[in-house]
Amino acid sequence: RKEVEQDPGPFNVPEGATVAFNCTYSNSASQSFFWYRQDCRKEPKLLMSVYSSGNEDGRFTAQLNRASQYISLLIRDSKLSDSATYLCAVKSNFGNEKLTFGTGTRLTIIP
Amino acid sequence: DAGVIQSPRHEVTEMGQEVTLRCKPISGHDYLFWYRQTMMRGLELLIYFNNNVPIDDSGMPEDRFSAKMPNASFSTLKIQPSEPRDSAVYFCASSPTSGRAFFNEQFFGPGTRLTVL
Repeated sequence: RKEVEQDPGPFNVPEGATVAFNCTYSNSASQSFFWYRQDCRKEPKLLMSVYSSGNEDGRFTAQLNRASQYISLLIRDSKLSDSATYLCAVKSNFGNEKLTFGTGTRLTIIP
Repeated sequence: DAGVIQSPRHEVTEMGQEVTLRCKPISGHDYLFWYRQTMMRGLELLIYFNNNVPIDDSGMPEDRFSAKMPNASFSTLKIQPSEPRDSAVYFCASSPTSGRAFFNEQFFGPGTRLTVL
């Protein structure tokens, strides 16, 4: 089983809709969780960290479910500019800065 | 402020040749990471440094790969000899040491697209 797994998609969603992705992780001792965004042929950029209590940034909401070992990303009122690949990343060990990434979920917002 | 700088941006070489990728991290960042991204395997960490010292090289695929960080502002990833399966995008990233240790953001460079023929 992969350490971090994501549904690769693609998700094709009409503009204005709400879309959600999940990401599962295998190491129950994982410490920190992140969502990165990667545009085509560009580098990944941090979208948001995921806190235990869940957190929101504008139209984006991230949740952590430790019992079921997954994190989620919800995008409300999707915009054309949200089209990208969304990568989840997990930091497993205290004191080790290694991030393990999922393979990404590709999202296309349709006008 | 300049971000992470990588060179070259594109590299095409023939099997068996030596390839050297270069990275300049963001000034003041203590951590430097080398990643490889392919369609099949996604984004994989190869090695990371803290204060110029290699900390975790468990992702380095084999002896053909080596990485150095001679000072705080420069790192290289070398492949010798290169093989077609090394074709990928190689990203360098850096991050600071901050009070929020669990949530240090990694800042990625634009990547080097390597093609080995």
